Amino acid sequence: GAVVSQHPSRVICKSGTSVKIECRSLDFQATTMFWYRQFPKQSLMLMATSNEGSKATYEQGVEKDKFLINHASLTLSTLTVTSAHPEDSSFYICSARDRDRGGYTFGSGTRLTVV
Amino acid sequence: AQSVTQLGSHVSVSEGALVLLRCNYSSSVPPYLFWYVQYPNQGLQLLLKYTTGATLVKGINGFEAEFKKSETSFHLTKPSAHMSDAAEYFCAVSGRSGNTPLVFGKGTRLSVIA
Repeated sequence: GAVVSQHPSRVICKSGTSVKIECRSLDFQATTMFWYRQFPKQSLMLMATSNEGSKATYEQGVEKDKFLINHASLTLSTLTVTSAHPEDSSFYICSARDRDRGGYTFGSGTRLTVV
Repeated sequence: AQSVTQLGSHVSVSEGALVLLRCNYSSSVPPYLFWYVQYPNQGLQLLLKYTTGATLVKGINGFEAEFKKSETSFHLTKPSAHMSDAAEYFCAVSGRSGNTPLVFGKGTRLSVIA
């Protein structure tokens, strides 16, 4: 089946630094990648939608200059949290739409802790 | 616009008892409907999905759900709960075009009591 590999699974960084999260589709072409954030004991909230080769579309309230999304190829999308602050600590999950199968495949998530 | 309402943030059942997790959706277009399970600090695993055709959908681990358009519901059931079913369950809806994201409900935490 379709697999999305997300790395790192856990990261701890200092306030003010940047962190990059990668999501790779391993056996299909992900023309669209969705990025979600999940706070403890809450649901997944859509942050942005990225399409290969074009700028990401951000949801209301999500700072595009803080959460940089790059989707340069059909198999790789990255989310960079810039100048991270403790309130950015969260669980970040990517999801790719499998163009051929029509389903959604999720990465295993990244637990970001900013200290 | 689409939305999902999961009734009950926490459901507790005895081992061997029926599991019923409720989901109602709102969608201006014919929806695709999904149920996912999430274990602590892990990603989401697809249990089942409804796209078209048969309204009773069977998924993994003995779960099934029935799409009822008249009730705008997609409740998840399992005849007999196992301890390993304890997790967070999310109902989600999407449109049918290629670039629409999943919209999730708030989740229901299932506890299974021995």
